[in-house]
Amino acid sequence: DAMVIQNPRYQVTQFGKPVTLSCSQTLNHNVMYWYQQKSSQAPKLLFHYYDKDFNNEADTPDNFQSRRPNTSFCFLDIRSPGLGDAAMYLCATSRDGGSGANVLTFGAGSRLTVL
Amino acid sequence: GQNIDQPTEMTATEGAIVQINCTYQTSGFNGLFWYQQHAGEAPTFLSYNVLDGLEEKGRFSSFLSRSKGYSYLLLKELQMKDSASYLCAVRDSNYQLIWGAGTKLIIKP
Repeated sequence: DAMVIQNPRYQVTQFGKPVTLSCSQTLNHNVMYWYQQKSSQAPKLLFHYYDKDFNNEADTPDNFQSRRPNTSFCFLDIRSPGLGDAAMYLCATSRDGGSGANVLTFGAGSRLTVL
Repeated sequence: GQNIDQPTEMTATEGAIVQINCTYQTSGFNGLFWYQQHAGEAPTFLSYNVLDGLEEKGRFSSFLSRSKGYSYLLLKELQMKDSASYLCAVRDSNYQLIWGAGTKLIIKP
């Protein structure tokens, strides 16, 4: 089945220790998104890629970086995680970024705990 | 600023009907989405409205009034598995998705 796969599902790290979260998709969608979601809050968009074009949200901290080496893979790097970065990180894809019922397909998420 | 308002939590009884409201103030409108999110899992797509009126899909229906900045999600014949958060999201004039914080729906036997 075509899908969005995130690894790891659960990540525990120490304060300040870098973390990389990965996302792969078999949907051949050209747009990939990284969201941060804290408990009982709306998902917060960190970045998105339209093909290779990288779009950084204005309020995404510099501590967060992303890479998309090819259409199928995308990575989220957290260079120095703080306690406030503990959250669920959701990867999503869509066929394009705009018109029509452009539905996002989400991965199962990576839950980050910072000790 | 842009804003999506939904009730934080609702409780309903198995077999009953529940309506979850969403009001929005956004810069432009290019569609409204409802997603379901079970605890600890990713959101999954439920419905999309871009024109006024009711869209029905099995036990779930979604209504939109653009002039009122209002939508609701109607769930019929509630089942225990419907216990989840329901997220309303609006696509603005820049085609950015603005998300609500979600409504946690608790179903009681």
